[in-house]
Amino acid sequence: QKEVEQDPGPLSVPEGAIVSLNCTYSNSAFQYFMWYRQYSRKGPELLMYTYSSGNKEDGRFTAQVDKSSKYISLFIRDSQPSDSATYLCAMSAIGGSEKLVFGKGTKLTVNP
Amino acid sequence: SQTIHQWPATLVQPVGSPLSLECTVEGTSNPNLYWYRQAAGRGLQLLFYSVGIGQISSEVPQNLSASRPQDRQFILSSKKLLLSDSGFYLCAWLRATEAFFGQGTRLTVV
Repeated sequence: QKEVEQDPGPLSVPEGAIVSLNCTYSNSAFQYFMWYRQYSRKGPELLMYTYSSGNKEDGRFTAQVDKSSKYISLFIRDSQPSDSATYLCAMSAIGGSEKLVFGKGTKLTVNP
Repeated sequence: SQTIHQWPATLVQPVGSPLSLECTVEGTSNPNLYWYRQAAGRGLQLLFYSVGIGQISSEVPQNLSASRPQDRQFILSSKKLLLSDSGFYLCAWLRATEAFFGQGTRLTVV
């Protein structure tokens, strides 16, 4: 079993839809959870960052972590065509070597 | 503010030719630096990481090597490229557990 699993999609939604992106993981030592957004032919950029379990909201984006289920989610409300990108989850263990483990990324297209 | 530079943006090289990709970081000292490769459908694969000058750790056996000649410079090299070396190469700097990426180099080996 891979450390981090993420459905690669592609996912296509109409403008204004609520988008749900998910990752599962197997390493119970993971404590830090991140979502990166990557536009085509660009490097990934940090979108959301959470520590341990719970929710974190930033504008139209909500990151959710359920450590008991080893499951993390990113919700995008009122999706816009500019949200079209590949979204990668990443996680790291507390006190580890600071190496991030990434999911494969989910390609999202928001159609106007 | 911290900035990470990576070049070139695109590169087409013949099989068997050498490779040198350079990454430099501004605005910080003694950064932890990383080289990733991103292939279609395979996500980000960690190739090398460095916690200081001359200190290189390799994650996977491969045709590539890395060097860190200066505190804020990280170089990815190959003596002879293989077709399988094609991909999108990303340099990253980690602050705590946040990664900051360069814009990437798309390498096509022909």
